[in-house]
Amino acid sequence: KAGVTQTPRYLIKTRGQQVTLSCSPISGHRSVSWYQQTPGQGLQFLFEYFSETQRNKGNFPGRFSGRQFSNSRSEMNVSTLELGDSALYLCASSGSRGGGIGFNNEQFFGPGTRLTVL
Amino acid sequence: AQSVAQPEDQVNVAEGNPLTVKCTYSVSGNPYLFWYVQYPNRGLQFLLKYITGDNLVKGSYGFEAEFNKSQTSFHLKKPSALVSDSALYFCAVRDLNTGFQKLVFGTGTRLLVSP
Repeated sequence: KAGVTQTPRYLIKTRGQQVTLSCSPISGHRSVSWYQQTPGQGLQFLFEYFSETQRNKGNFPGRFSGRQFSNSRSEMNVSTLELGDSALYLCASSGSRGGGIGFNNEQFFGPGTRLTVL
Repeated sequence: AQSVAQPEDQVNVAEGNPLTVKCTYSVSGNPYLFWYVQYPNRGLQFLLKYITGDNLVKGSYGFEAEFNKSQTSFHLKKPSALVSDSALYFCAVRDLNTGFQKLVFGTGTRLLVSP
């Protein structure tokens, strides 16, 4: 079973630009979550999508947005990039046979996208 | 609010010796606890989880974790460490307040296993 894939793996942008990151979950998983990892703040939850609906959002400014498509693939977008947005962005998928989701389902993470803002 | 704490930034252990990586939790309601490992330039790999049942949970790569309700702890253990176990370890708790999939992570503990 293929794992979670994220593209691109590395990105370099300049301040003020915008960026779109992509995530393909494990086949059959309908929940996709995004996390930001930085040395200073650690791992922080950005948002979760399930069946194309954002179900939960972390404490990030509106410049951070996302969406999920009917095939469960997800994208996140960061507009007007700031230096502090430099981070590893991790996508995680979760689910079970039949497409359901529960508290006991672990999340499976992709390799991440390393974003550097200059 | 749900939270976990990892009191040690780094744990050093010699290969072949047992290892313990500590985690304590604070939750309202039943805890859903997880351990993940991260190797350099990689995402997080799931090791094990505690949902309910036996207090000793067995996971991947020979790791296990002991859930202790009275001490609100969920320490990660391995009887015999390998150099290849050197990595960053994260404890996490599911945020039940939101009712969804959000995980709240600890700050991470770097494990260094020396030959």
